[in-house]
Amino acid sequence: EDQVTQSPEALRLQEGESSSLNCSYTVSGLRGLFWYRQDPGKGPEFLFTLYSAGEEKEKERLKATLTKKESFLHITAPKPEDSATYLCAVESGGSYIPTFGRGTSLIVHP
Amino acid sequence: EPEVTQTPSHQVTQMGQEVILRCVPISNHLYFYWYRQILGQKVEFLVSFYNNEISEKSEIFDDQFSVERPDGSNFTLKIRSTKLEDSAMYFCASRAESEKLFFGSGTQLSVL
Repeated sequence: EDQVTQSPEALRLQEGESSSLNCSYTVSGLRGLFWYRQDPGKGPEFLFTLYSAGEEKEKERLKATLTKKESFLHITAPKPEDSATYLCAVESGGSYIPTFGRGTSLIVHP
Repeated sequence: EPEVTQTPSHQVTQMGQEVILRCVPISNHLYFYWYRQILGQKVEFLVSFYNNEISEKSEIFDDQFSVERPDGSNFTLKIRSTKLEDSAMYFCASRAESEKLFFGSGTQLSVL
């Protein structure tokens, strides 16, 4: 069974204070690892897909990296509008069913 | 950008009543999903649908649940006899071949 553990559960940052979110996973053959952003009362919004160890993707202040056991979402100089819950999900083998972690709730104070 | 549309945004029902949650996936997508999220908990998979039939379902998706694609555009989730523990946000999602999921904004179901 695929497992995804995200840490920390919650993170408070000052505007401009860079940090990283962690996603540890256990799968039988990773097909893809996904990062989503979820705002309160909304559906998850896609950010990145990573497929193999060593891969990196960037979008504005966000950068996602992948190893064989975990992924990091680095947030550089965050702004208050980056406040959201960040979800990690994995798909394994021939499955097209993403399994989600519990997420990291990020609050960025001005 | 195309989007997944869900209706209603909020649904309040009495325990034991039937509810139907509706979704319009993105038109050229092939895979359709229902997920749910109980307040403060993680997004949980319920069921996936491909080629007009269920492709996978979770343990949560018991005989009280059913899905349909009645007219080639809509995708519905029916709960036959709601329970208190069915209260959650229900998300519909769709995807093209092996790509990212697009989620709707969800239906908040409250069972009283």
